[in-house]
Amino acid sequence: EVQLVESGGGLVQPGGSLRLSCAASGFTFSSYSMNWVRQAPGKGLEWVSYISSSSSTIYYADSVKGRFTISRDNAKNSLYLQMNSLRAEDTAVYYCARDRPRIPDAFDIWGQGTMVTVSS
Amino acid sequence: AIRMTQSPSSFSASTGDRVTITCRASQGISSYLAWYQQKPGKAPKLLIYAASTLQSGVPSRFSGSGSGTDFTLTISCLQSEDFATYYCQQYYSYPPYTFGQGTKLEIK
Repeated sequence: EVQLVESGGGLVQPGGSLRLSCAASGFTFSSYSMNWVRQAPGKGLEWVSYISSSSSTIYYADSVKGRFTISRDNAKNSLYLQMNSLRAEDTAVYYCARDRPRIPDAFDIWGQGTMVTVSS
Repeated sequence: AIRMTQSPSSFSASTGDRVTITCRASQGISSYLAWYQQKPGKAPKLLIYAASTLQSGVPSRFSGSGSGTDFTLTISCLQSEDFATYYCQQYYSYPPYTFGQGTKLEIK
């Protein structure tokens, strides 16, 4: 079964750091570009970051640029999001999502999400 | 960034109804548009990509159309499991990929 499973969310104080992980299974992870998408409580979807299959191309939303770092380990079938200098407005469910094979393309597989709460 | 605007933001319908949701892009995006369905507490699910191509496993009562700036998602005969929030997304010009604000479809 094709699957993405996020972990690493939790409660963190403003200014703190957190590292999210996304474990992929059931497909050739190294062949696909990946994304992080977040959803604040009661709000819509916001794309956060993109990484190509070989990590050669990386993009960030302006709202997280300079604070978040996306990375992947194809040998471990894992995607990561290092989040530093966290703010209250970063509070959200964070989803990892797979790109369909074409570039660019829609997001065809999503994880179940991991909740990040930034609060003192 | 390209802005995506959905209409309506919410509406009520009955099982068996035919419903249409509209998505407008602030500039032309060719056919680089996807539609997602999200149920409460769940991850989004891809329904349609390339504006009109049905994702594998999605019921044929869902269809998409449009190109350029104006797009529609149509559900031909609403089923109880279709009551959810729907999002459009453009992937023509990035970063950033951008989503519409969502359309919440509720039971009348």
